Amino acid sequence: DAGITQSPRHKVTETGTPVTLRCHQTENHRYMYWYRQDPGHGLRLIHYSYGVKDTDKGEVSDGYSVSRSKTEDFLLTLESATSSQTSVYFCAISGAGEPQHFGDGTRLSIL
Amino acid sequence: AQSVAQPEDQVNVAEGNPLTVKCTYSVSGNPYLFWYVQYPNRGLQFLLKYITGDNLVKGSYGFEAEFNKSQTSFHLKKPSALVSDSALYFCAVRDATNAGKSTFGDGTTLTVKP
Repeated sequence: DAGITQSPRHKVTETGTPVTLRCHQTENHRYMYWYRQDPGHGLRLIHYSYGVKDTDKGEVSDGYSVSRSKTEDFLLTLESATSSQTSVYFCAISGAGEPQHFGDGTRLSIL
Repeated sequence: AQSVAQPEDQVNVAEGNPLTVKCTYSVSGNPYLFWYVQYPNRGLQFLLKYITGDNLVKGSYGFEAEFNKSQTSFHLKKPSALVSDSALYFCAVRDATNAGKSTFGDGTTLTVKP
């Protein structure tokens, strides 16, 4: 697998608490992405980054924020988690025009 | 805007038979097209891509896909299915002018029966 790790791999938390997911890469790729995967919805883009401190919204960005202060790290934050944000979250990386390489996901449950 | 449709939620084939997983796309410019496979509790893995050139693209594990510009399709194929090919398959499209952002289909579950 490409050098991409997500942490934590599993998390259970309560509604209203802040949650931060981390994606770390060792490939020096320019692009990094956060997706969520839900049954019946496939893979939906939350936010992506095209460089350090350069980010843009995806199709389901409400309730999420991101930060990229270093090439290798891309953080996804749920400021105040809601039950609708229970999902499996995937990070991906890519070079320009290249296929994406995915981490193994973070299973997040919000009770 | 760009979009992808995978019209079949589920495809069932017998081992040894050919398989096809369908994908159609819509982009305003030239398309970059990708197929990915996902096994349980894992992230997506890249199978093959079309950027330019030959319409028939060969990829990993014996899979191939045919780009058809007039039908805006990029169907995934394999001449002889294996039980181990059973997985969830995703088609993705990216506009060539949009270097970063891909759109994924909802996925097709392929089941290969012995």
